[in-house]
Amino acid sequence: DTAVSQTPKYLVTQMGNDKSIKCEQNLGHDTMYWYKQDSKKFLKIMFSYNNKELIINETVPNRFSPKSPDKAHLNLHINSLELGDSAVYFCASNPGLAGGVGELFFGEGSRLTVL
Amino acid sequence: RKEVEQDPGPFNVPEGATVAFNCTYSNSASQSFFWYRQDCRKEPKLLMSVYSSGNEDGRFTAQLNRASQYISLLIRDSKLSDSATYLCVVILNTGGFKTIFGAGTRLFVKA
Repeated sequence: DTAVSQTPKYLVTQMGNDKSIKCEQNLGHDTMYWYKQDSKKFLKIMFSYNNKELIINETVPNRFSPKSPDKAHLNLHINSLELGDSAVYFCASNPGLAGGVGELFFGEGSRLTVL
Repeated sequence: RKEVEQDPGPFNVPEGATVAFNCTYSNSASQSFFWYRQDCRKEPKLLMSVYSSGNEDGRFTAQLNRASQYISLLIRDSKLSDSATYLCVVILNTGGFKTIFGAGTRLFVKA
């Protein structure tokens, strides 16, 4: 059983399109995150939700909108995609307080390529 | 200055070698420290936590020096399977918790 699963794993799309990435965790964790890993391999936090409530919202363009229908799911919708959005997007979860105290469990990543 | 800095490498070592990575952090509010491992095109996974007294897990030893604000990871008797990127991770407590990842150090272990 996959603990943190995200779909799709690969996404190739044109500039200007809107796309979504879904994430689900079956670990019973209260906190979920979206991270972006760019070509330079920096992992940067984008959003954090604790029990469906937005806790962390880093400096991310408002074209990115997270949605957490319940504490096991955190989806990411991106409007008007730009070339610079090309990256690997990782979903993660953590049993502790928002911010990532303790071990983070990552999904396998969703590789987004914007043409 | 980056909040968490690592030498990007790559470190190319033969099997059986001992290799050490260092990581420095800039914020004295850093509270917890970890090493994660990320294989090529895979997700990061926790390798080990880093405690003030230093800790060991098999061939891996982690050290923390709060005064100098650096963390180290020592790998003894390197195996081919140790080839990966090692990410230094720091958790800040500035009212709320924030996890900061270093860019990682790449290790290649050769036969």
